[in-house]
Amino acid sequence: DAGVIQSPRHEVTEMGQEVTLRCKPISGHDYLFWYRQTMMRGLELLIYFNNNVPIDDSGMPEDRFSAKMPNASFSTLKIQPSEPRDSAVYFCASSIMARPEAFFGQGTRLTVV
Amino acid sequence: KQEVTQIPAALSVPEGENLVLNCSFTDSAIYNLQWFRQDPGKGLTSLLLIQSSQREQTSGRLNASLDKSSGRSTLYIAASQPGDSATYLCAVRPTNFGNEKLTFGTGTRLTIIP
Repeated sequence: DAGVIQSPRHEVTEMGQEVTLRCKPISGHDYLFWYRQTMMRGLELLIYFNNNVPIDDSGMPEDRFSAKMPNASFSTLKIQPSEPRDSAVYFCASSIMARPEAFFGQGTRLTVV
Repeated sequence: KQEVTQIPAALSVPEGENLVLNCSFTDSAIYNLQWFRQDPGKGLTSLLLIQSSQREQTSGRLNASLDKSSGRSTLYIAASQPGDSATYLCAVRPTNFGNEKLTFGTGTRLTIIP
């Protein structure tokens, strides 16, 4: 398996623009996670899904952030409108209930100017 | 609320030395603990997963131990190599069924000096 695949790897956008990050989990995994990593706050869980259903979105910072998982092989994290303080590395991870060990993608480095 | 601490934040050691990285957590009700490695600009790579019922796990030169009652885990790296230079993070998973909310430590940045 190719692992968790995220796109794009880098995104530079202007403040106020909409940003969409994409993730393809490992085939067969039933959990999908979105994390944000910054120097100040480290790794923070934003939201996670189980069988495509959002389970815990308490980490989503504000209404500007939304996440969807329309099917078992694809998820998006959208920021609208984006702000400079959203600049961070966003990671997607997946796991399977039978063996709860998280596998991470390479991340998307977002810069909002 | 679970809090995970890793001390020191940074560590430099000469190549060939054995070393220990520390991870402590405030709530001992954990399902498992996972150690990751992160290279600059890269994602996280899982190194070892240790279940709450286990005392240790080994993979090659790495050995992770877990003392759940005292809220501590250590990652032992034997015969360190320059390629071991990276940031090491630990994360704990809570016990309640279906709760997959990992809590991460802030990491230890390890530099192996050739």
